[in-house]
Amino acid sequence: DTAVSQTPKYLVTQMGNDKSIKCEQNLGHDTMYWYKQDSKKFLKIMFSYNNKELIINETVPNRFSPKSPDKAHLNLHINSLELGDSAVYFCASSQDRLRETQYFGPGTRLLVL
Amino acid sequence: SQQGEEDPQALSIQEGENATMNCSYKTSINNLQWYRQNSGRGLVHLILIRSNEREKHSGRLRVTLDTSKKSSSLLITASRAADTASYFCLNQGGKLIFGQGTELSVKP
Repeated sequence: DTAVSQTPKYLVTQMGNDKSIKCEQNLGHDTMYWYKQDSKKFLKIMFSYNNKELIINETVPNRFSPKSPDKAHLNLHINSLELGDSAVYFCASSQDRLRETQYFGPGTRLLVL
Repeated sequence: SQQGEEDPQALSIQEGENATMNCSYKTSINNLQWYRQNSGRGLVHLILIRSNEREKHSGRLRVTLDTSKKSSSLLITASRAADTASYFCLNQGGKLIFGQGTELSVKP
């Protein structure tokens, strides 16, 4: 049973396209996150939701829009994809917003051509 | 940049040796966590140390925290080839900030 799952695992697309990445957790956690890992393996927090409420919104272009239909799901929609968006995107969850142990998904490898 | 720093960036040792990785941070912390990332995989939580703790153990892992120096270290004792991975520290203070990671290679 996968605790935090992401789809798709790989995404290859052209510049200018719009794409979505989905994340689901079956741990009953209240808080979910999106991270971006670049080619140098730097990990940066992008967004965090707690019970469907946005609590962290780092300096991310407006082309990125998270959506949390319920506390078990946090999706990431990206408009007008650019070359620099190529990265691995990780979803994670934790029990609550005190941000204790985070459980990570396997990642979505996005390549923008 | 608020990105935490880890050193060394890469570490290569023989099986059975100990591996020590260091993490320095710039902002205040509530707790500091260490994660492992195997190649092509997601991150796996290893250990959490709170800001009022100085040392913590879990199996072959030992973590120390020095808040006066804003640094933490992760020691893996009696390393195994399966410990080969990237190791990251996560500063959970006002912001969530990962260190840049240490790539550990353990040779059989």
